[in-house]
Amino acid sequence: QVQLVQSGAEVKKPGASVKISCKASGYTFTNNYMHWVRLAPGQGLEWMGIINPGAQMTVYAQKFQGRVTLTSHPSTSTVYMELTSLRSEDTAIYYCARGWASGGLNYFDPWGQGTPVTVSS
Amino acid sequence: DIQMTQSPSSVSASVGDRVTITCRASQTITTYLNWYQHKPGKAPKLLIYGASSLQSGVPSRFSGSGSGTDFTLTISSLQPEDFATYYCQQSYSTPPITFGQGTRLEIK
Repeated sequence: QVQLVQSGAEVKKPGASVKISCKASGYTFTNNYMHWVRLAPGQGLEWMGIINPGAQMTVYAQKFQGRVTLTSHPSTSTVYMELTSLRSEDTAIYYCARGWASGGLNYFDPWGQGTPVTVSS
Repeated sequence: DIQMTQSPSSVSASVGDRVTITCRASQTITTYLNWYQHKPGKAPKLLIYGASSLQSGVPSRFSGSGSGTDFTLTISSLQPEDFATYYCQQSYSTPPITFGQGTRLEIK
């Protein structure tokens, strides 16, 4: 079955960077875009960006422009999300999610299990 | 950016109840609206896409409706496993894709 398995929890200091992996299985990796979404404590879901895993084309939410980088390794069916210059407000659970598109309709299914990131001095 | 506003922010209900959650967009999004269920410690789960299409494997007690700016998610008869947080999400005008703030469904 389709699975997205993410790397484990991270604890980082302010100013550091974090890189999270998302390994896909059960489908042709390059057939679907991959999105990244985060859930901060007390907040709602927040979309961060999208990558075309085959073409390496990316689009980022303006809020994260300059701090987030999405990359893809088709040989291992793995997508990576790197977030730099971490601050306490980046403490959140980070999810990858397989994207589906039909015209302008975009939705996510399935999602990875989530990677908690804690930013604390 | 398109703002998505859900109401209520939380609701208490009993097993067997009918529950409706509303999502309003700050501008028209036609039917580019999806609903997700999220339980603590679990991955969010797609329930409804395109405002009213039930995702495969999702029980038929879940239904979605609406178009333009106003949408609803209805659970016809609450089951114990339905207590969770529900989010709407739009993709009409992107980037960014945006979500509602969530509706927490609690046991009464």
